[in-house]
Amino acid sequence: EVQLVESGGGLVQPGGSLRLSCAASGFTVSSNYMSWVRQAPGKGLEWVSVIYSGGSTYYADSVKGRFTISRHNSKNTLYLQMNSLRAEDTAVYYCARVLAAAGTASYYFDYWGQGTLVTVSS
Amino acid sequence: DIQMTQSPSSVSASVGDRVTITCRASQGISSWLAWYQQKPGKAPKLLIYAASSLQSGVPSRFSGSGSGTDFTLTISSLQPEDFATYYCQQANSFPSFTFGPGTKVDIK
Repeated sequence: EVQLVESGGGLVQPGGSLRLSCAASGFTVSSNYMSWVRQAPGKGLEWVSVIYSGGSTYYADSVKGRFTISRHNSKNTLYLQMNSLRAEDTAVYYCARVLAAAGTASYYFDYWGQGTLVTVSS
Repeated sequence: DIQMTQSPSSVSASVGDRVTITCRASQGISSWLAWYQQKPGKAPKLLIYAASSLQSGVPSRFSGSGSGTDFTLTISSLQPEDFATYYCQQANSFPSFTFGPGTKVDIK
């Protein structure tokens, strides 16, 4: 059974740092595209970052230069290192597996974790 | 950047009703669209991918259609467990993704 479990959220002051983890089971993180998606309180979904199976990484403009996505292959775990945090980064952060419909470039998120709340406040 | 809009932003419906939600992209995205259902305090759940493909395990009362800029999610007969917020998501600009603002389906 595929499962994603996030951890590492909490309260942090503006300008601070936090590292989120996403432990996967039932599949191999390094063989898949993996992503982080966030949701501010009472708001919609916002894509944050993706890491390809080959290791390439991409970021939303809102977090570029401040956040880093990575993975630990032997631990089968995805990470999001968040630096220079701002109040507007306050959100529930979800990790999700990215798949593409067979023979297409129609990518989507098929499995999601339960989310971890990050609150940036003084 | 590709912008996504959804209409209506909310809809009140009764059990058994047919509900249709529309998603529009600011430019053509072929069939690179997915739909998700989210209940309060829970993670989103994939319903439809590639505009019209039903995710395994999702009830057949859910269906998707469309291509280019205009897409539709239809619930043929609303059930009590379907009251939730629904989001569309485009992948034409992969590796970046954009979600629609959501449509809340609540009880009439």
